[in-house]
Parts: sequence; C-alpha cells; structure tokens
Amino acid sequence: ELKVEQNPLFLSMQEGKNYTIYCNYSTTSDRLYWYRQDPGKSLESLFVLLSNGAVKQEGRLMASLDTKARLSTLHITAAVHDLSATYFCAVHRYALNFGKGTSLLVTP
Amino acid sequence: KAGVTQTPRYLIKTRGQQVTLSCSPISGHRSVSWYQQTPGQGLQFLFEYFSETQRNKGNFPGRFSGRQFSNSRSEMNVSTLELGDSALYLCASSLLKMADNYGYTFGSGTRLTVV
Repeated sequence: ELKVEQNPLFLSMQEGKNYTIYCNYSTTSDRLYWYRQDPGKSLESLFVLLSNGAVKQEGRLMASLDTKARLSTLHITAAVHDLSATYFCAVHRYALNFGKGTSLLVTP
Repeated sequence: KAGVTQTPRYLIKTRGQQVTLSCSPISGHRSVSWYQQTPGQGLQFLFEYFSETQRNKGNFPGRFSGRQFSNSRSEMNVSTLELGDSALYLCASSLLKMADNYGYTFGSGTRLTVV
C-alpha cells in the first residue's frame, strides 16, 4: 500500500518568512503533483514533477522531487497572506494518492 | 477552454436513497477519475474511466459505481446511502499525455450531504 505523508499538517507563519512543506512517500512512483485548495473550493494544480531532480517554480512557490529519497518539497519564499490555503501532494501510482494536506495560515 | 463541469454542486439525500453525480471533462480529455474528500479520510480515489472502460478502482464498497459515455462524460452512482457517504466528490479529467505534463484538472465538486 502506498503511503504519502506530509508534514507539517498545520503551519502558521508570518508574512515575509520562508518555510518548507515536506512530502514523503513509501513506494516508487513516476510522478508527483502539488495542489492547492481554498476553503470550500476544488483543487488547483500547482506543479507536476516528472523526474528525479525536477525543480519547478511559480511565483513564491518552488517544488522539487528526489525520487531516490522518495521526497518532494514545496518551498515558500517571503510568504504573503494570499498563500493561505491547504496544500496537498499526490503521488501517482495507478491513481493520485494524496497526503493529508498542510493547512497554511500566513499572518501579518 | 471550458473546464471540468460537475453537476449538481450541492445535494441533500436521505439515508437509503441513491444518488447520481455527473462530470463533463475538458474537451478532448478521455480520462475521468473520481475522488471522495472527507475531513476524516482526506482525499480517496474511487475509480478511473478511459474510453468508456474502468481502468482502476479504489477500495470502496460495491455501492459505489460509475460509468463513462462515448462523449467522455462520466457519472458515478451511490446506492443505499449512508451517513458516512457525506463528502465532497471531485472529478478530474486528464489527457494522460506527456505533452500535457500528465496533468489532472479537477472540477468544482459535488457536495453531498446524507441526512
């Protein structure tokens, strides 16, 4: 059974600070996804990481993938309030297997 | 281009009833997947359809079923509803191609409440 663990599950950070969300998974996979979900809303695609060493950046978010360590990270740079949301990683193996999500709150 | 359309957006049903949810994928996408989201269990895979065939199925009881039509639209059905079936049901469509980064685009979901 594929297990996907995210940490932390809750994160409160000040605006302007940097932080990293970690996503560990238990078996090999060919691709990893990051999604954002706002309260009461659907999942918004952020990144798809397809190979070992892949790094993608969009604005203040940067995602990376280390398939050997079975680890992906989502790094937040100089957080702003608009980034407050829940972030999910999902590992693809026959289907998307989601972590429990990281609830991020950015405060002034 | 139009996104993934799910109908209805909200639904209230009584225990024991059955319900059908609909999903229209992005034009040209032939893969449709269904996921259930609850506060306790998180996001769980229900099933995936491709070209009218079920390709994969998650670990849900037989009360949960689905199908896909020739125009790629998909429906999922839940029979004999239980309180625990209350959830946000999300549909995702995909081209399943490298050119599209194997992306999955999610619909807005159907919020099902069982009373």
